[in-house]
Amino acid sequence: DTGVSQDPRHKITKRGQNVTFRCDPISEHNRLYWYRQTLGQGPEFLTYFQNEAQLEKSRLLSDRFSAERPKGSFSTLEIQRTEQGDSAMYLCASSQENQETQYFGPGTRLLVL
Amino acid sequence: GQNIDQPTEMTATEGAIVQINCTYQTSGFNGLFWYQQHAGEAPTFLSYNVLDGLEEKGRFSSFLSRSKGYSYLLLKELQMKDSASYLCAVREGRAGNNRKLIWGLGTSLAVNP
Repeated sequence: DTGVSQDPRHKITKRGQNVTFRCDPISEHNRLYWYRQTLGQGPEFLTYFQNEAQLEKSRLLSDRFSAERPKGSFSTLEIQRTEQGDSAMYLCASSQENQETQYFGPGTRLLVL
Repeated sequence: GQNIDQPTEMTATEGAIVQINCTYQTSGFNGLFWYQQHAGEAPTFLSYNVLDGLEEKGRFSSFLSRSKGYSYLLLKELQMKDSASYLCAVREGRAGNNRKLIWGLGTSLAVNP
């Protein structure tokens, strides 16, 4: 069994470009979460899916950010017109229904130049 | 409002015991988590408390007092590999589908020989 996987692990982009990240949760987990983390801070909640439904989205998430989970398995997070302030580690986590523990992937480190 | 407080840094000696405290003020409470995070890596799950009392798991124990809004993580027989950031997170969901975790900033623990 593999854990949560994320792709790519690192991304360097220029300001104004669009980027897309992918997360593959643990196979039997129906809940999937996206977080953002900057140096010296705890993870910051972005959004959460149960199966294919996006049930919660942070007010901190501007309209440049969008996430999908079309078939209730993998998810994508897209950032449009990236800004330097978007530079961070983007973490994906998944959990099983009726269990509380969230298991994290290795993260995608984004650097916007 | 939401507030989770934990010390920024702690130092301990190999073989010793260290206690990392976490206090929280959230609009609801539905469980408290401790995660370990090594530099540049994703958080890994350590413990989950939803009822008052002590949960022991090997060298790590976690305590919760809901009436005091307080938890601690106890690490025994410290090893050099325990040098990491320790994150306290609260699930404040009042019911149903609110699975969002509110995170502290983390406590950076340095274990010295």
